[in-house]
Parts: sequence; C-alpha cells; structure tokens
Amino acid sequence: DTGVSQDPRHKITKRGQNVTFRCDPISEHNRLYWYRQTLGQGPEFLTYFQNEAQLEKSRLLSDRFSAERPKGSFSTLEIQRTEQGDSAMYLCASSVRETYQETQYFGPGTRLLVL
Amino acid sequence: DAKTTQPNSMESNEEEPVHLPCNHSTISGTDYIHWYRQLPSQGPEYVIHGLTSNVNNRMASLAIAEDRKSSTLILHRATLRDAAVYYCILGGSNYKLTFGKGTLLTVNP
Repeated sequence: DTGVSQDPRHKITKRGQNVTFRCDPISEHNRLYWYRQTLGQGPEFLTYFQNEAQLEKSRLLSDRFSAERPKGSFSTLEIQRTEQGDSAMYLCASSVRETYQETQYFGPGTRLLVL
Repeated sequence: DAKTTQPNSMESNEEEPVHLPCNHSTISGTDYIHWYRQLPSQGPEYVIHGLTSNVNNRMASLAIAEDRKSSTLILHRATLRDAAVYYCILGGSNYKLTFGKGTLLTVNP
C-alpha cells in the first residue's frame, strides 16, 4: 500500500512532555498538510508545506507546535510542553498541486492523549 | 471560506439509495464542491468532486443544482461499510480544506 502513513498511531503522554509525530506522504505528492480533529468535530487545518517550504500556519498552531518537512519528503509535527487541550487526533494529508482544485489523501492519524 | 450546511445525521437501510444534501448558498464561481467521508477511527477519504455538471465515479454520484447553491451526494446502494461522517466542502484555488461537522450516516441492516 502506497498511501499516506503516520507514526505512531497512538500516543499517551503526561502534561509537560514533548511529543513528535511523523507523516510519510504519497511519494510523488509535493503538498503536505497537517490537521487536528477533536471529538465530534471535523478536522481543522494546522499547516501545510509545498515541497520543503512551510507556506501557511493556522492561528491554532501555537508557539509550542512546530512542523518540518526536510527535503520535501516526510514531515514531523512536534508539540512541546504538552497540555491536556492538545489531546486530539492529528491527521496528515498529501496532494499534488493542481491549477484549480486538488484531492487530498489522508493518513490514518495519530491519536494523542495528554494526561 | 464559503460555508456549507448539512444535516447532522441521516439514516438509511442497506441496499437502498441514499441522498445526502448540502447547501452552499454563498458559493463562488471558482469553488469546486468536494465530498469526503470519514469512517470510524480512520482519516477522511475522498469521495467525489464537481464544479457545475453532475459527476459519477465508482463510489458515488454528485448532483449539482443549476444555480450551484446546493448539491446532493448519492450513494446508489448503501452498504454497512458506507456508515460514516460525510463532509461537503467548498474549495478551489484555496488549497486547505475547511471541514464542518458533516452528516453522520447510519446504515441499518
């Protein structure tokens, strides 16, 4: 299967700890997105990359959050000094940039629980 | 971002057609209409998209009103595996997807 993969699938951590999630996009996709989803809500956009450049960050992405995409391949999302409010599903998606519209392909997500 | 309005939930019986409505009265001329669905404990999955004309693919059909202010996702024969949250999203040159709460579809055996 050559879909989007995310690791780990589940993470339990204590408040104040740092966590890092990884996303491997579909290989030929130049765009990569991170979303966050809390219970009962639709996913919310966090940030996106075109190749290795981070082109936009949502206001939801506080200073404790940082994302990277070295060499335009996989991406990591790090949360420093986690808070209970960070508990959510973190979703990664990738796509190929098109002129008028694009289809995003999502990974299975990383479910984070902060105790 | 232009907003969409969907019913919170709908129910269907297995092997019957399902029509999932979406209102988007503030749609702009360049906005595509996208549908994604999210099965329990999975990431969203692309279903179909269209601009003006009705569209068909192996998963579903998309019927778009002539004034483009509403659309309907049609599952021709619902199966238990179609039970999911269905999201109607407007997009175009705006790259990011803005999800609402979607419609929770329950399929009864």
